[in-house]
Amino acid sequence: DTVMTQTPLSLSVTPGQPASISCKPSQSLLHSDGKTYLYWYLQKPGQPPQLLIYEVSNRFSGVPDRFSGSGSGTEFTLKISRVEAEDVGVYYCMQSVQLPPTFGPGTKVDIK
Amino acid sequence: QVQLVQSGAEVKKPGSSVKVSCKASGGTLGSNSLNWVRQAPGQGLEWMGRIIPMLGVTNYAQNFQGRVTITADKSTSTAYMDLSSLTSGDTAVYYCARDQDMPVVPLTYWGQGTLVTVAS
Repeated sequence: DTVMTQTPLSLSVTPGQPASISCKPSQSLLHSDGKTYLYWYLQKPGQPPQLLIYEVSNRFSGVPDRFSGSGSGTEFTLKISRVEAEDVGVYYCMQSVQLPPTFGPGTKVDIK
Repeated sequence: QVQLVQSGAEVKKPGSSVKVSCKASGGTLGSNSLNWVRQAPGQGLEWMGRIIPMLGVTNYAQNFQGRVTITADKSTSTAYMDLSSLTSGDTAVYYCARDQDMPVVPLTYWGQGTLVTVAS
C-alpha cells in the first residue's frame, strides 16, 4: 500500500496569514494515463470530509480560490493564501493511483 | 445534487455483525464507485472497500478481507456495508462516499456517517 506522509501534523495560524501543508507519498502518484491521482480533503469538526482539490491542483466546485494545490511525483503541497476562521479542521491528502486508496494522517489546523 | 443518507447509530456486542445502509437521495448510486471509509475515535480515515454498482464489482482492503461485504440495490439506490466478527476495535464512524461520474473524481460526495459502537 502507498503510505502518505503529511507535515506538519498540526498548525496554528493567525487569520489572514498563509498556511502550507506538505504531503509525500511513498511512491509516485503519476499514472500511465498521464494523470496524477492526489486529492485534498478538509474535515471540519463533527462533519464528514469534504473534497477541496482533485488531481493535484483542480479546485472542486464551490471551493474558494484561496485554496491551491501543487506538486508532482512524490511531493505535493496544499496552500491556503489567507486563512479564515471557517478553515479550521483536519486536512487529509489521499492517493488513488492504486488500490487501496490511502490517506495521510491528517494535519490539524486551528486559529491563533 | 446527490445526497447520501446513512442509517442511524448502532450498538453491537463483540462477535456480532452490523449492516449500515447508504441511500442516494435525489439521484442514483452513480456509474462509478461507492466506497466505505471508517474513522475510529480521534483517528484518521481508513478505506474499507468499494462497489461499482453498475457492474456489481467489489474490492476490499486487505485489513477487512473476509469480514466485510459491500452490496448495492440499484432499484432503491441504496448501498450496504456488512461487517462481521466485531471487536471493540471496530468502534468507529463509518462513511459511505460516492465518486463523481464526470469527470471521474473519487470520494466526492459523502454520507453523514454512522457511529457503530461495539461494547459488551
